[in-house]
Amino acid sequence: DAGVIQSPRHEVTEMGQEVTLRCKPISGHDYLFWYRQTMMRGLELLIYFNNNVPIDDSGMPEDRFSAKMPNASFSTLKIQPSEPRDSAVYFCASSFILGQIQETQYFGPGTRLLVL
Amino acid sequence: AQTVTQSQPEMSVQEAETVTLSCTYDTSESDYYLFWYKQPPSRQMILVIRQEAYKQQNATENRFSVNFQKAAKSFSLKISDSQLGDAAMYFCAYVRSGTYKYIFGTGTRLKVLA
Repeated sequence: DAGVIQSPRHEVTEMGQEVTLRCKPISGHDYLFWYRQTMMRGLELLIYFNNNVPIDDSGMPEDRFSAKMPNASFSTLKIQPSEPRDSAVYFCASSFILGQIQETQYFGPGTRLLVL
Repeated sequence: AQTVTQSQPEMSVQEAETVTLSCTYDTSESDYYLFWYKQPPSRQMILVIRQEAYKQQNATENRFSVNFQKAAKSFSLKISDSQLGDAAMYFCAYVRSGTYKYIFGTGTRLKVLA
């Protein structure tokens, strides 16, 4: 399996521009998670989906952030308009639940976003 | 609210020696899972080891083992025969059973000295 795939790996943009981050989860995984990692705040869960449905978006910082999962193999995280404080590494992760066993989250390589 | 604390921002170990990374957590739940993830300079988050709270036996994965003390809410990671490739940030994580909101510690940077 190719693992979780994220694109782009690096993104540099100017303040006010729209940014779209993309994620392809591991095939067969029915949970998808978006995280943000910064030095100040560490690793934060932004939102997660189950079977393409957003379950908890309480970690989304503000209305400028939105996430979608149109199908089981693709998700996007969009920031519009972007601000310098959005600069961070954004991770996508996926997992599946086997019966009552909590399965492990598998992370993608991350997208390093720099907003100038 | 659940919290995860890693009190060692940075640790160093000589190659081939053993090192232990500390993690404590706070929860009132009895059913949960604990994880150690490794993040090398490539930034990829890699699962090192997992522990189910209902299991008394400590998890082991080759050179990696944990000391899980449920009553003390402690979950330390022991790395034996340290290798240069073990140099990375190590994150401890907690998730309550039936939920999917992982809570991560702030990480410990491990340096391996040749």
